[in-house]
Amino acid sequence: QLQLQESGPGLVKPSETLSLTCTVSGGSISSSNHYWGWIRQPPGEGLEYIGIVYYSGSTYYNPSLKSRVTLSVDTSKNQFSLKLRSVTAADTAAYYCARLFSGGGVDYWGQGTLVTVSS
Amino acid sequence: QIVVTQEPSLTVSPGGTVTLTCGSSTGAVSSTYYPNWIQQKPGQAPRALIYSTNNKHSWTPARFSGSLLGGKAALTLSGVQPEDEAEYYCLLYSAVGWVFGGGTKLIVL
Repeated sequence: QLQLQESGPGLVKPSETLSLTCTVSGGSISSSNHYWGWIRQPPGEGLEYIGIVYYSGSTYYNPSLKSRVTLSVDTSKNQFSLKLRSVTAADTAAYYCARLFSGGGVDYWGQGTLVTVSS
Repeated sequence: QIVVTQEPSLTVSPGGTVTLTCGSSTGAVSSTYYPNWIQQKPGQAPRALIYSTNNKHSWTPARFSGSLLGGKAALTLSGVQPEDEAEYYCLLYSAVGWVFGGGTKLIVL
């Protein structure tokens, strides 16, 4: 059974960089049929796609966040990561990692981690 | 950028049938948008239900089905159970990547 687990600071100061890691267990991040994604959800609001990364390092970002986001993958640790720069209170959200697959969809999700942007 | 539209809320009686829809600002939704449906209950992580229009995951209950209906993607619940009360999100693939709809709150009453 594939499992994804987010980790990282729960509190980030405005203008700083939010950094999260997703650890994949029960399967390989180097699968050619899968992409690894980040989705966020502000409190009381809907889901927002942030972007996806392939095991080769190829990335695809939400245009609205592209200027501030970097996704990366570490195949040796079976992990992938999110960095969001210059955060503001509007970036306060639950951040989820998920697996997407060729042929059009998302299947496994992490439990999510709440990140609050506040001084 | 594409805007994905869903009904804000729907109410259904236990045992009944309800259809949620998902539209696109760019026109009719087709299979090339790879419509996905995701369920989220309060305080829980999202759970994938349907992918590529009408394909179920191994854990998806049989009462959930996906389709294309009148230029939109649709999720139909037949024989609704009280535990189906949740928020349901549509996810479409577009030229600029994946885009979520705003969600439909399904009330079972």
